[in-house]
Amino acid sequence: QVQLQESGPGLVKPSETLSLTCTVSGDSINSYYWSWIRQPPGKGLEWIGYIYYSGSTNYNPSLKSRVTISVDRSKNQFSLKLTSVTAADTAVYYCAKATGRQQLVHWGQGTLVTVSS
Amino acid sequence: QSVLTQPPSVSGAPGQRVTISCTGSSSNIGAGYDVHWYQQLPGTAPKLLIYGNNNRPSGVPDRFSGSKSGTSASLAITGLQAEDEADYYCQSYDSSLSGVPWLFGGGTKLTVL
Repeated sequence: QVQLQESGPGLVKPSETLSLTCTVSGDSINSYYWSWIRQPPGKGLEWIGYIYYSGSTNYNPSLKSRVTISVDRSKNQFSLKLTSVTAADTAVYYCAKATGRQQLVHWGQGTLVTVSS
Repeated sequence: QSVLTQPPSVSGAPGQRVTISCTGSSSNIGAGYDVHWYQQLPGTAPKLLIYGNNNRPSGVPDRFSGSKSGTSASLAITGLQAEDEADYYCQSYDSSLSGVPWLFGGGTKLTVL
């Protein structure tokens, strides 16, 4: 079955860059949408952005100046980079796959990233 | 503040029926874009519950149903069970130039009494 697994540092210092990777198994990254979503502790879901299988991207306007989502087809992975982080970026970060009607069908388990010195 | 508005909380007794609303606008739900619903059990990742307004993925009990009308959508849960206690989120697409393309509602906490 399709599985997604986030990986990356759990602690990032303020003003530095948050980098996460999502490894996909049981499916090819050469189809549909591959997305990042985050959830601050005790709060709701916030969509960060997606990369379409063609390579095109779409980002949340509130994060667009700091976000890059890229794909590594050889490793069946996609990645998130968020620059100039602050404490407000502390959250559980999820990677997910969305299909034809843009519903998020498969989710990773999530990884907590804390921004602190 | 989410552009899709959900009640912060709803509650019901076992066996009862509850509904969760998701109110949008003419640039998202009202424009005809699909609404999807997710269930997030405590400490776990969200799970797709309803897609395309009223479709259930394989494995989701038929106690869960979705509907859409105008600028709003609803999730209904019948025969409420203790295991339904969770947070529920709606999601839709927004076409406004300054908005967020993929929107989530603020979430609704369901308490089973």
